[in-house]
Amino acid sequence: DQQVKQNSPSLSVQEGRISILNCDYTNSMFDYFLWYKKYPAEGPTFLISISSIKDKNEDGRFTVFLNKSAKHLSLHIVPSQPGDSAVYFCAAHVYNTDKLIFGTGTRLQVFP
Amino acid sequence: GAVVSQHPSWVICKSGTSVKIECRSLDFQATTMFWYRQFPKQSLMLMATSNEGSKATYEQGVEKDKFLINHASLTLSTLTVTSAHPEDSSFYICSASPPDRSKNIQYFGAGTRLSVL
Repeated sequence: DQQVKQNSPSLSVQEGRISILNCDYTNSMFDYFLWYKKYPAEGPTFLISISSIKDKNEDGRFTVFLNKSAKHLSLHIVPSQPGDSAVYFCAAHVYNTDKLIFGTGTRLQVFP
Repeated sequence: GAVVSQHPSWVICKSGTSVKIECRSLDFQATTMFWYRQFPKQSLMLMATSNEGSKATYEQGVEKDKFLINHASLTLSTLTVTSAHPEDSSFYICSASPPDRSKNIQYFGAGTRLSVL
């Protein structure tokens, strides 16, 4: 039972354009959502998060949107840069625990 | 800040031997560390939560006698895969929570690829 789903295994975007990565979840007990970026041979690095009581959080080129009614969140990267090429994981924090539940990841490739 | 070091990055061992993986928080004290396992093209699956000075909490389906976890200090947790078999071959990754838990961020090590022959 995959509680956090990233249905697109890969995404290819031209440099300078917007990258939109999507994530769906099924559990209403998630109170925080996080995005991590992972380069090959490295651990995931924290990118941006959003509380379940908000619908948008922005940090530079990265914006995360949360639609609670649809149980859907998305990460927007604009403008996309070649250095953004990596695997992006969506993660959800389970309320009143220390646990993070991860999606399967989306491989983003930004080409010149 | 918030650097987590994991060692070794890659280990090959014979079936039946034990392998120890170390996870260190380099610039912060981590009362809680986590161990994940990742299969190819799958998500990170939480194996256990490790609290300093107490027994680890294992997720359902994870054999605690197979995967021994020790969190003896605020900066070090170890995972020992005992009597490893080829089906234990996987990518193991640890993470640590900083003292400020308000944003629920975990910081990850680079992972260890275990190959059991």
